[in-house]
Amino acid sequence: AQTVTQSQPEMSVQEAETVTLSCTYDTSESDYYLFWYKQPPSRQMILVIRQEAYKQQNATENRFSVNFQKAAKSFSLKISDSQLGDAAMYFCAYRTMYSGGGADGLTFGKGTHLIIQP
Amino acid sequence: NAGVMQNPRHLVRRRGQEARLRCSPMKGHSHVYWYRQLPEEGLKFMVYLQKENIIDESGMPKERFSAEFPKEGPSILRIQQVVRGDSAAYFCASSPSEGVRTQYFGPGTRLLVL
Repeated sequence: AQTVTQSQPEMSVQEAETVTLSCTYDTSESDYYLFWYKQPPSRQMILVIRQEAYKQQNATENRFSVNFQKAAKSFSLKISDSQLGDAAMYFCAYRTMYSGGGADGLTFGKGTHLIIQP
Repeated sequence: NAGVMQNPRHLVRRRGQEARLRCSPMKGHSHVYWYRQLPEEGLKFMVYLQKENIIDESGMPKERFSAEFPKEGPSILRIQQVVRGDSAAYFCASSPSEGVRTQYFGPGTRLLVL
């Protein structure tokens, strides 16, 4: 079974600075997807960014980018120019590319609580 | 384009009652997923449905929990004879049937069992 580990329960960053959230995962598969979701105090789960494992290029979405290291099974999220609205729980998630046998659901890490200091 | 809709947003039940949680997927999405989030935890996959079919219920507790996604209407997650340990946030997500099938989440239903 796949596992996702987020080793930082909480991170704090000054507004306008850059912060990196760590995520590692364990899988024996070669084809899969990785995601970062954000959960603000409203508790709505919001997709931040997505990475396909077969793509070597790291995904970027405006101020959000990832450092995907397939061999190391690492998928960190970098937030540049942090804003107060970035304060939230951030969850890393894994999903196999194939269907069936419990593979369709996302496997989530336990989350990192990001605090933005004004 | 409306997102995933869930209702109710908050639900209070006494032990032994039934809880019914509803989820309407995004327009154009035919796949629905249910997750449970306990306090201070990440989301745990429960069940994956397509219209009129349960595709994967490997994360669903064997007793008291059931899910359906009828041809017409929302998907329903039903919890019979609720116990205090069922208190959690229940999230529904939907995805298209093609491509990466990225899952988009609803706002969740917070269930409190007294």
